Amino acid sequence: DVKVTQSSRYLVKRTGEKVFLECVQDMDHENMFWYRQDPGLGLRLIYFSYDVKMKEKGDIPEGYSVSREKKERFSLILESASTNQTSMYLCASSLQAPFINEQFFGPGTRLTVL
Amino acid sequence: AQTVTQSQPEMSVQEAETVTLSCTYDTSESDYYLFWYKQPPSRQMILVIRQEAYKQQNATENRFSVNFQKAAKSFSLKISDSQLGDAAMYFCAYSLTGNQFYFGTGTSLTVIP
Repeated sequence: DVKVTQSSRYLVKRTGEKVFLECVQDMDHENMFWYRQDPGLGLRLIYFSYDVKMKEKGDIPEGYSVSREKKERFSLILESASTNQTSMYLCASSLQAPFINEQFFGPGTRLTVL
Repeated sequence: AQTVTQSQPEMSVQEAETVTLSCTYDTSESDYYLFWYKQPPSRQMILVIRQEAYKQQNATENRFSVNFQKAAKSFSLKISDSQLGDAAMYFCAYSLTGNQFYFGTGTSLTVIP
């Protein structure tokens, strides 16, 4: 059974803290993605990676960075958390073109920044 | 960036009835991929159905089918014989290359017993 896992389901942090969100997939997918999900805004892409050590900015990269040191792991980093980063964070993975296929999603991390 | 529009923030359907969720998108490309995803409450997002734009035949998966109107850039999802387990947030998504996906804002579906 294919699987994308995220390190935490719920996380509470304080303003200014450095926050790490981890995502691991076991499907040998090349592509990995980080989204944030907010009511009424749908899913917005923060960063994606198409290979180890490669990354591309999505639509809302400000305040975030990412790391992909191994193919199966993609980390999202909030260098200095702020209250406006309170959100649901979803990780996803997919095969690379020409195998246009679905994205497989993790369960999400609900982050609250106080 | 591509835009995907879901104009119905909330929908409801009686159990065993049929409901259609709307989605429109904006693209100048001729070959692309469209998806419907389902996100049940507090559960993982999963794929419901996918459609390749070069295929004229509408995709079908059991009780789920799409009405793909390429010229109108419309991609609606029809759920037949609705069940309580169909209650979820539904997202329409577009992808050109498989390296980036663009999602709509979602439609929350309530199934009334």
